[in-house]
Amino acid sequence: DTGVSQDPRHKITKRGQNVTFRCDPISEHNRLYWYRQTLGQGPEFLTYFQNEAQLEKSRLLSDRFSAERPKGSFSTLEIQRTEQGDSAMYLCASRSRGPKETQYFGPGTRLLVL
Amino acid sequence: GNSVTQMEGPVTLSEEAFLTINCTYTATGYPSLFWYVQYPGEGLQLLLKATKADDKGSNKGFEATYRKETTSFHLEKGSVQVSDSAVYFCALSISNFGNEKLTFGTGTRLTIIP
Repeated sequence: DTGVSQDPRHKITKRGQNVTFRCDPISEHNRLYWYRQTLGQGPEFLTYFQNEAQLEKSRLLSDRFSAERPKGSFSTLEIQRTEQGDSAMYLCASRSRGPKETQYFGPGTRLLVL
Repeated sequence: GNSVTQMEGPVTLSEEAFLTINCTYTATGYPSLFWYVQYPGEGLQLLLKATKADDKGSNKGFEATYRKETTSFHLEKGSVQVSDSAVYFCALSISNFGNEKLTFGTGTRLTIIP
């Protein structure tokens, strides 16, 4: 069990550029979550996958954001036309099926939009 | 909607002091409750959890009891150590067709001085 991994760990970009983040969940976990954490705040839910199906998206996820999990394994989160307000830590978590299972978090990708 | 209200920080204590971090929640339905910890430079880690009323979660000397009557899940430790310095997040989840997304409080930064 190697844990949840995320890549890159840090990303600096200019306003208007597109960025893509990757998350590799724990191998047997079929549930995958993306959260966003801004400075001084707790993480906020963005979206949820069960296998390859995206089953819920938060209203925080504007049209500039898209997430995929093509084969039910790794996931990507893309932000198009980045804005300074997108600067945050993007966290990925995974859990196995079954009620009340624990979500395990990756180290996060810190995005800075200049 | 669901929400978590957490004791504001930062909190500074001397080593071996008693710790309480207050957490109250509002939820539709019957949530599971969690404390996550974020050590400097690391990702979120589950500290403890409780899945039904009157359950007590415990780990590493920390405890929290799920109190339905007061909608609270306060974190306690009898004697803190310097290594407990971290940010602590209270969170809840409610099962919704397999999506147990987490709702977090704003976090409490704890610093323990020798």
